[in-house]
Amino acid sequence: GEDVEQSLFLSVREGDSSVINCTYTDSSSTYLYWYKQEPGAGLQLLTYIFSNMDMKQDQRLTVLLNKKDKHLSLRIADTQTGDSAIYFCAEMDSSYKLIFGSGTRLLVRP
Amino acid sequence: GAVVSQHPSWVICKSGTSVKIECRSLDFQATTMFWYRQFPKQSLMLMATSNEGSKATYEQGVEKDKFLINHASLTLSTLTVTSAHPEDSSFYICSASSDNEQFFGPGTRLTVL
Repeated sequence: GEDVEQSLFLSVREGDSSVINCTYTDSSSTYLYWYKQEPGAGLQLLTYIFSNMDMKQDQRLTVLLNKKDKHLSLRIADTQTGDSAIYFCAEMDSSYKLIFGSGTRLLVRP
Repeated sequence: GAVVSQHPSWVICKSGTSVKIECRSLDFQATTMFWYRQFPKQSLMLMATSNEGSKATYEQGVEKDKFLINHASLTLSTLTVTSAHPEDSSFYICSASSDNEQFFGPGTRLTVL
């Protein structure tokens, strides 16, 4: 079945860039998403990318998609302490379900 | 933007009772809503897909008689945890689908004593 994998933890210094990586297995995915979850809260959609795109930029966020390697990354420029959260990547499968990765906990140190 | 609400945001109940959680899309109509369960420090596990006016589709391993889902209108889906037990304690999150995006509710934390 489909599988989405992420590294579990990332620690960066405030002001640096953060790069969160994700790999997926379903080559028929049409959309890939990045969500942010703060403690005790639901998921906030950060950005998404259509599978025929290589890159999408939205303010401090840059999404890179390597479809050949089934690799997705999220780069956060000028990371702030408020960016500390868990970040989930997800792919939409052919039945419009979202398959989530395990989440990457980002810790931003002052 | 699209807003999804859940009610209640948290609930504590005794073992053996039933709990109903509501999921509403506030400013859009959603023919499809999804129910997820999230254990501490873990990812979201899809429980079921709820389509307005029809029976929900449950994922493998999810007991449909235990987790009753009703999608009576284009803006409301409910999840009822029947005869709740401590192992049902979890964070339940719904989402509503619009175009190719899913918008998530804030979640409901259920604690069963």
